[in-house]
Amino acid sequence: GDSVTQMEGPVTLSEEAFLTINCTYTATGYPSLFWYVQYPGEGLQLLLKATKADDKGSNKGFEATYRKETTSFHLEKGSVQVSDSAVYFCALSIANTNAGKSTFGDGTTLTVKP
Amino acid sequence: DTGVSQDPRHKITKRGQNVTFRCDPISEHNRLYWYRQTLGQGPEFLTYFQNEAQLEKSRLLSDRFSAERPKGSFSTLEIQRTEQGDSAMYLCASSETGTTTYEQYFGPGTRLTVT
Repeated sequence: GDSVTQMEGPVTLSEEAFLTINCTYTATGYPSLFWYVQYPGEGLQLLLKATKADDKGSNKGFEATYRKETTSFHLEKGSVQVSDSAVYFCALSIANTNAGKSTFGDGTTLTVKP
Repeated sequence: DTGVSQDPRHKITKRGQNVTFRCDPISEHNRLYWYRQTLGQGPEFLTYFQNEAQLEKSRLLSDRFSAERPKGSFSTLEIQRTEQGDSAMYLCASSETGTTTYEQYFGPGTRLTVT
């Protein structure tokens, strides 16, 4: 079946540090890949997405590149802020099968200290 | 449109009681999904609807769980004879069809605590 594996957290960084959160996947078809963010007390928000190999998704300074050869979609940000503290989920969804339901990783908690 | 809404946001119930949650999707979205999220885990798929038709149910959805979307708009998720293991966050999401990315928009969730 489909699965997503994220690097274990929690991750604690100082403000302006470089962030990488690793994500790898296995999929029965050709997936679209997503990063969602969940702030305390809120629902999941889509952060960025990529739908085919070598696509780069980007939003709010975050980036992730769809690497089919390594089945990875690592999240990066060059300079984190305190406001980036949240839980980050990597997910995949396969069009034309599974009706678009998403398979999620277990999440990585990021804490950014001033 | 203000996005996906869920009601209630929090529910505390005693073991054995029945509970019902409501989800209102984004109005033009005809796909609606229910997920369950426990502490420290990612959301797990429960079921989904296309319009009013329930097209798939996960093995996680035991016989005590039932979901409806009677007019293809809002949806309800009912849990009968609740158990402590049902304590979790129940998330609803909606999406359009006819796209390749199936980008889903999530509600804030209903946190269920079974005592």
